[in-house]
Amino acid sequence: AQSVAQPEDQVNVAEGNPLTVKCTYSVSGNPYLFWYVQYPNRGLQFLLKYITGDNLVKGSYGFEAEFNKSQTSFHLKKPSALVSDSALYFCAIYTGRRALTFGSGTRLQVQP
Amino acid sequence: DAGVIQSPRHEVTEMGQEVTLRCKPISGHDYLFWYRQTMMRGLELLIYFNNNVPIDDSGMPEDRFSAKMPNASFSTLKIQPSEPRDSAVYFCASSSNELGTGDNQPQHFGDGTRLSIL
Repeated sequence: AQSVAQPEDQVNVAEGNPLTVKCTYSVSGNPYLFWYVQYPNRGLQFLLKYITGDNLVKGSYGFEAEFNKSQTSFHLKKPSALVSDSALYFCAIYTGRRALTFGSGTRLQVQP
Repeated sequence: DAGVIQSPRHEVTEMGQEVTLRCKPISGHDYLFWYRQTMMRGLELLIYFNNNVPIDDSGMPEDRFSAKMPNASFSTLKIQPSEPRDSAVYFCASSSNELGTGDNQPQHFGDGTRLSIL
């Protein structure tokens, strides 16, 4: 069965520094992978997706993610973090018939 | 587009009462999902519909929970009777029929209903 894992409950980074939020996946076949962000008291918002093609995917708000098949990873990255990036980030994998399975979430805290 | 609309945004009620959560999906979307989010269990898929028909309800925790989609623009999630352990944020999401093309997002989420059962 398809699944994703987010090994870090929280990531702390200083403003202006690069950030990485980790995600690994398990799937039989080719994965469809996604990142969503959740701000306080809001629903999940789509950031980016990997379906096929280039391993480096660019998304909203300056985020990007690198698909690595050999390491079964899909880490979310941003070259320079902003305080406003502080939020809860979810990795997700497509499990068929439009359904997604979400990871446990990683709380990103960007300190000024 | 107004996005996925959920009501109420907050609900506080006493144990044993019936609770009804409502969702209006994005017009034209033919998939609708109900999720529950808690600190302990994270984001769980409860049930989802395609063209108003339930496809998978294996995530519904027990018989106290039921969901309906009487038409393409409205769905309800009902808990009867409610219990304190049902306290959570409940999200509705909708999806068009193309994954990865056209509509960029696989699922669009509402802002949720925060449910507190006392």
